[in-house]
Formats: sequence, C-alpha cells, structure tokens
Amino acid sequence: DAKTTQPTSMDCAEGRAANLPCNHSTISGNEYVYWYRQIHSQGPQYIIHGLKNNETNEMASLIITEDRKSSTLILPHATLRDTAVYYCIVQETSGSRLTFGEGTQLTVNP
Amino acid sequence: DTAVSQTPKYLVTQMGNDKSIKCEQNLGHDTMYWYKQDSKKFLKIMFSYNNKELIINETVPNRFSPKSPDKAHLNLHINSLELGDSAVYFCASSHWDWGPFGGYTFGSGTRLTVV
Repeated sequence: DAKTTQPTSMDCAEGRAANLPCNHSTISGNEYVYWYRQIHSQGPQYIIHGLKNNETNEMASLIITEDRKSSTLILPHATLRDTAVYYCIVQETSGSRLTFGEGTQLTVNP
Repeated sequence: DTAVSQTPKYLVTQMGNDKSIKCEQNLGHDTMYWYKQDSKKFLKIMFSYNNKELIINETVPNRFSPKSPDKAHLNLHINSLELGDSAVYFCASSHWDWGPFGGYTFGSGTRLTVV
C-alpha cells in the first residue's frame, strides 16, 4: 500500500540541478512530506521536509504543489557526492514509524 | 559530536551464536529505533522505544530482543543467529513528535554477516 511513487532511477550531470519527483496523491492534511537519502553503505540522512509551503535549506529545496499531491526535491548544483538513493516519505508524526519505500537511485555523472 | 553511534560496525559470526549490537544517542531524543536493511536494500523497522517503553514490535522472530536501559541507549541482542539474519542493522532516534523537527537521525549501521 505505497503512499508515494518515485522513479526507480535518474541521472544528472555534475554541476546541474537534480530534480527528483514524487507523487503522493493520497496525502492527508496532517501528513508531512519528508526526503531522506542513503549514500552507499551509510545510514539514511535527513534532507528536508515540508507540510504545505515550499522549503529550502543548505542541502536542497522542496517544492510542494498547491494540492499537495506531488513534490519535487531540487539539488541545485549536484556533485558526485550526491549520488545516492533518495527516499520521499509521506508520514504522520507523533509515534508513527518512518516507512521507507524503494526510492530513486540518483547517479551524478562527471 | 552529537550523533547516533552504534557498535560494532562489522560483525562476523557463526550460525547459532548469540550477539549484541549497541546504540547510543546524545541528541536528547526520547524515541529510538532499530531498522534492518537486507540484501535487496529495503529498510524495514523492527522495534521502537519511547522513554524506555516498547512502542513498535514488528513481526520479528523472538530471537531478537531489544533492551533500552535508558532514553539514550537501545541495544539489540540476537540469539541463535541464522544465515538469514545477515543484513545491515541501523539504529535511529527522534523526538516522539518528530514531524516539525526533521524526523529521524540514523547511525552508520552494523553489518552483520552470519557464516
């Protein structure tokens, strides 16, 4: 019963923006959109999250559509170190578990 | 450094042995978790503890027994290890109401190999 749909894989050229899409058409009003990534052999790393508004931090930007049914994670200037599996997660909070899907394998090419 | 640290990083052991993995966090979180990542790379939650109380216990064999002596520690003991237990085990922590705060912080993982 997947809550999110992501492409299996994407490629991006080094220095260019990487735009990773995520569909979450059944999102409910109190669910956040979270993005994590897992670089090979490391623990998952929090990137960014949002509820309704677009968000930006030092790592990335998160664009959430007005109807909240989809979002895009933007890495503005991808580097080789951004090669990782990126997980889009839709989740309520307060005691609920963070549930990972299959994610998108992003490969940044020189 | 503030972090979630787990030990050991690598663990190679024979079938039938008993082993433990330790996890400690100094982030002031009140909830801790164990996740398992198998060879297919799926991350699945196993257990979670909030203030030393077991909150989530997925369908994990009872050979796996978590123990939380305090809010900052969550250990995982595995009895009678089997080949299928080979995986990477991740510890994580969060605030109970983690939504506004950025979710979970994960440790770097323990790669368990049962031979």
